[in-house]
Amino acid sequence: DAEITQSPRHKITETGRQVTLACHQTWNHNNMFWYRQDLGHGLRLIHYSYGVHDTNKGEVSDGYSVSRSNTEDLPLTLESAASSQTSVYFCASSQQGRGYEQYFGPGTRLTVT
Amino acid sequence: QQQVKQSPQSLIVQKGGIPIINCAYENTAFDYFPWYQQFPGKGPALLIAIRPDVSEKKEGRFTISFNKSAKQFSLHIMDSQPGDSATYFCAASDLSTNAGKSTFGDGTTLTVKP
Repeated sequence: DAEITQSPRHKITETGRQVTLACHQTWNHNNMFWYRQDLGHGLRLIHYSYGVHDTNKGEVSDGYSVSRSNTEDLPLTLESAASSQTSVYFCASSQQGRGYEQYFGPGTRLTVT
Repeated sequence: QQQVKQSPQSLIVQKGGIPIINCAYENTAFDYFPWYQQFPGKGPALLIAIRPDVSEKKEGRFTISFNKSAKQFSLHIMDSQPGDSATYFCAASDLSTNAGKSTFGDGTTLTVKP
């Protein structure tokens, strides 16, 4: 069955370290998204991509970067982790032209100490 | 500014009750309104969605009501069950310019007591 996976599921890192969160989908979806979820803030869009080599900034992109070298993967990198980036991160994907129906991964809980 | 405002933040009902979650939006270009359901430790999952050309949509026990003039929409859960306990997010999309993006509300944590 097609699916979307995230790894690791839990990560503890130190302030200032570079961290990469993986997202892999097997639906062959063109659209992929990264969100962070914090209490009281719902889901906030970090970066998104509409296809290979396409990346776009979301509303909370500072301190994060993504690259899209193939259809299946959109890794999220925290260049220099900060305590404010402690959060639960969700990756999602959607079919081209149907971005409003997004399929979410299980999430990665990141703690920055 | 927050483009989609969701209320209440939390809601507790008895089994069989009808919880109602409300959302309001500002951008009149929004033309698709999905709702997502999220269980603890899981990612959100699409539950039901509506377009502004209809005022109501039902899928099983879940109903969306839409008021275009008021720029409001709401989710009703009929005959609620403890298994409906979850966080619910409303969202809005502008299909003409941002076909891949949705703007989410802050979420409502629903608890259905047995």
